Amino acid sequence: NAGVTQTPKFQVLKTGQSMTLQCAQDMNHEYMSWYRQDPGMGLRLIHYSVGAGITDQGEVPNGYNVSRSTTEDFPLRLLSAAPSQTSVYFCASSRTGAQEKLFFGSGTQLSVL
Amino acid sequence: GENVEQHPSTLSVQEGDSAVIKCTYSDSASNYFPWYKQELGKRPQLIIDIRSNVGEKKDQRIAVTLNKTAKHFSLHITETQPEDSAVYFCAADPTGNQFYFGTGTSLTVIP
Repeated sequence: NAGVTQTPKFQVLKTGQSMTLQCAQDMNHEYMSWYRQDPGMGLRLIHYSVGAGITDQGEVPNGYNVSRSTTEDFPLRLLSAAPSQTSVYFCASSRTGAQEKLFFGSGTQLSVL
Repeated sequence: GENVEQHPSTLSVQEGDSAVIKCTYSDSASNYFPWYKQELGKRPQLIIDIRSNVGEKKDQRIAVTLNKTAKHFSLHITETQPEDSAVYFCAADPTGNQFYFGTGTSLTVIP
């Protein structure tokens, strides 16, 4: 049981490039979410999903897209990277919803030059 | 949306002393309040949570208190140990699906 797996661990992009951060969980969790963590600003919710085929915006969704075609996977797409998207990104999941223990992935350190 | 404020941003205590971290929230619909601990370079991990129908919850050396009228909740760590050194985040959830986190408290326990 691997829990929540995020790839890659580190990524450097140039402004305007696109990329996808991968997130997979093997706990059959319905709820999955993406956060960004910036110094002095805590964790901010980007997008979340309460089940396959269902996604919704969080606190800071601009510049990011998500999809949830399977229960296990919840990729985060940056369509045109900007320096303001330099951050540490965490994927998190829980059994049925946010009001339960969140299991976090190990994070992705993204730098946009 | 919800606004969660967390104080202090940094806290240093001597080993064995107590540490208290306080959070306030703005949305009266919030009814779930977790606390996460994040060690340097690691992922956040839940250490304790409380729901709005409970005023206090304790788990060994950590406890959380909630005052819904005043819209604030606090984390209490007693008999602190060096391994308690980490960043602690509070959060509130007003919708059932969205956490709003505080900005974090960096706790240092001095041996």
